[in-house]
Amino acid sequence: DQQVKQNSPSLSVQEGRISILNCDYTNSMFDYFLWYKKYPAEGPTFLISISSIKDKNEDGRFTVFLNKSAKHLSLHIVPSQPGDSAVYFCAASEISSGSARQLTFGSGTQLTVLP
Amino acid sequence: DAGVIQSPRHEVTEMGQEVTLRCKPISGHNSLFWYRQTMMRGLELLIYFNNNVPIDDSGMPEDRFSAKMPNASFSTLKIQPSEPRDSAVYFCASSLALLLGKAFFGQGTRLTVV
Repeated sequence: DQQVKQNSPSLSVQEGRISILNCDYTNSMFDYFLWYKKYPAEGPTFLISISSIKDKNEDGRFTVFLNKSAKHLSLHIVPSQPGDSAVYFCAASEISSGSARQLTFGSGTQLTVLP
Repeated sequence: DAGVIQSPRHEVTEMGQEVTLRCKPISGHNSLFWYRQTMMRGLELLIYFNNNVPIDDSGMPEDRFSAKMPNASFSTLKIQPSEPRDSAVYFCASSLALLLGKAFFGQGTRLTVV
């Protein structure tokens, strides 16, 4: 039972265009959402995050949108660059025990930016 | 800081053998996570510790898997006996509660069981 779902395993976009990666979640206890980027043979690295009290967070070319009522978030990359080609994981965080936080990941979306 | 350090980077072993994966978290972090990445299931949480105590091990697939965190600077994930279906990349990550889930990952251990 996946609590965080990324329904698109892959996405291809042209350089300079917008990339939109989507993520859905089911657990209403999640209060913080994150996107990670992963290159081959490396561990995932943190990209951008958003608190559940916000609906948008922007960092340079990257913007994350959160729609709590729909339990949906998306990552927008504008403009897309070939170096953005990687697997993008959506993740959600909740307090699980005391101050401990559990981090649950989606299955990832492979983004390919074509030159 | 060198980040999260995992060893070995690659491990090839025969079915039935014991495998031990090691992780050194970032100094000062009090949460440690073990994840497994496969093509089919993406990043699965196996177990995580807070202040060296296992909080949730419901993701551990079978009794063949066990994890320990004897102190704040070291954790192991052991598979005994190993099976070919355990072949995957295993990641360790560490975090602080105040980071709200922002975790730092090691480079992973690619395990191949033949």
